[in-house]
Amino acid sequence: EDQVTQSPEALRLQEGESSSLNCSYTVSGLRGLFWYRQDPGKGPEFLFTLYSAGEEKEKERLKATLTKKESFLHITAPKPEDSATYLCAVQTVSYNTDKLIFGTGTRLQVFP
Amino acid sequence: DARVTQTPRDKVTEMGQEVTMRCQPILGHNTVFWYRQTMMQGLELLAYFRNRAPLDDSGMPKDRFSAEMPDATLATLKIQPSEPRDSAVYFCASGPGRDPQETQYFGPGTRLLVL
Repeated sequence: EDQVTQSPEALRLQEGESSSLNCSYTVSGLRGLFWYRQDPGKGPEFLFTLYSAGEEKEKERLKATLTKKESFLHITAPKPEDSATYLCAVQTVSYNTDKLIFGTGTRLQVFP
Repeated sequence: DARVTQTPRDKVTEMGQEVTMRCQPILGHNTVFWYRQTMMQGLELLAYFRNRAPLDDSGMPKDRFSAEMPDATLATLKIQPSEPRDSAVYFCASGPGRDPQETQYFGPGTRLLVL
């Protein structure tokens, strides 16, 4: 069964304290891995798509990487405005559709 | 700034009542998705349309839920009759439909409370 697991469930950081969020996946075949950010009361906001192992993408203080089993979202020198829930999702070949399977997210809090 | 819009943003209703949620996808997008988010289950796909045709509704309780796209600018999700366990946030997302991987853009959600 295709599965996505995110860790930790929650993460508290001091402003400027870099860290990483993990997304591990078990799928029959990966078509793409997606990272979203979700603020309270809002819909998920697209951040990155990664397609193959070894790929990396960056946006401001965020950097996403992908291996054959997991993806990391690295946050460098975070600021309080980076506080949000970060969701990971995969598209797999088994469904042959654009269906996304989401993890349960990592709730990040950055304190000044 | 193209966005997915959803109405209503909040809905409180009593058990047994019909609930209709509406979504306007981003202009030019030909795929539309309905998701439900709860604390326990996270985000779950309910239904998925491509070019207005339903492709996957395996996540949707068929006896009470129905999803349609009357035209390319409107998607609807109906619950009849509603039950307290349907309380959740319902998100619509749309995508440009470019293979092999497609980015989905989410609306702000409809927060449903069934009493």
